[in-house]
Amino acid sequence: AQSVTQPDIHITVSEGASLELRCNYSYGATPYLFWYVQSPGQGLQLLLKYFSGDTLVQGIKGFEAEFKRSQSSFNLRKPSVHWSDAAEYFCAVGPLGGSQGNLIFGKGTKLSVKP
Amino acid sequence: NAGVMQNPRHLVRRRGQEARLRCSPMKGHSHVYWYRQLPEEGLKFMVYLQKENIIDESGMPKERFSAEFPKEGPSILRIQQVVRGDSAAYFCASSLTSGGATDTQYFGPGTRLTVL
Repeated sequence: AQSVTQPDIHITVSEGASLELRCNYSYGATPYLFWYVQSPGQGLQLLLKYFSGDTLVQGIKGFEAEFKRSQSSFNLRKPSVHWSDAAEYFCAVGPLGGSQGNLIFGKGTKLSVKP
Repeated sequence: NAGVMQNPRHLVRRRGQEARLRCSPMKGHSHVYWYRQLPEEGLKFMVYLQKENIIDESGMPKERFSAEFPKEGPSILRIQQVVRGDSAAYFCASSLTSGGATDTQYFGPGTRLTVL
């Protein structure tokens, strides 16, 4: 069965420090991978996505993610965190297409930023 | 270009009442998805619809929940006889296609349902 694991429930980093959020997936084929961010009380905003090609993907707000097939991972990184990055981050996989259009989400990692 | 629109943003119902949640997809999008987010959880898929068709409802509870996406108008998620356990945030997403490089799902702001 397809699944997404985000091992870290809550991470706290200092403003200006680097950030890496982990995401591992279980999928039957080469997946489509996504990172979304959710601010409190808000909907989800797409940060970046991977479909094929270059395994290092650049997104909005200075985020990037690297697809590593051998590790079944798609970790999200940012070299220098800003206080406004405090939010919850969701990794998602899919869709398979056709009649299986849904995304499968991880449980999320909540990011806190210390001044 | 307007994004995905959902209304109401907040909905309060008493146990036993009906809740009706509306979603207007992005312009040109004909694929709509509904997800539910319980507290401290990620989003769980409920149903995938195209115009006038339910494509995949494998995530929908068997009773009390229904969804439609008519030829004209928004998609509707209907919950009959709500119970406290239905309290959650319900998100709608839309995409241009399904499967492939253009099938990115764009999410609405959600409807937060509270059942008293």
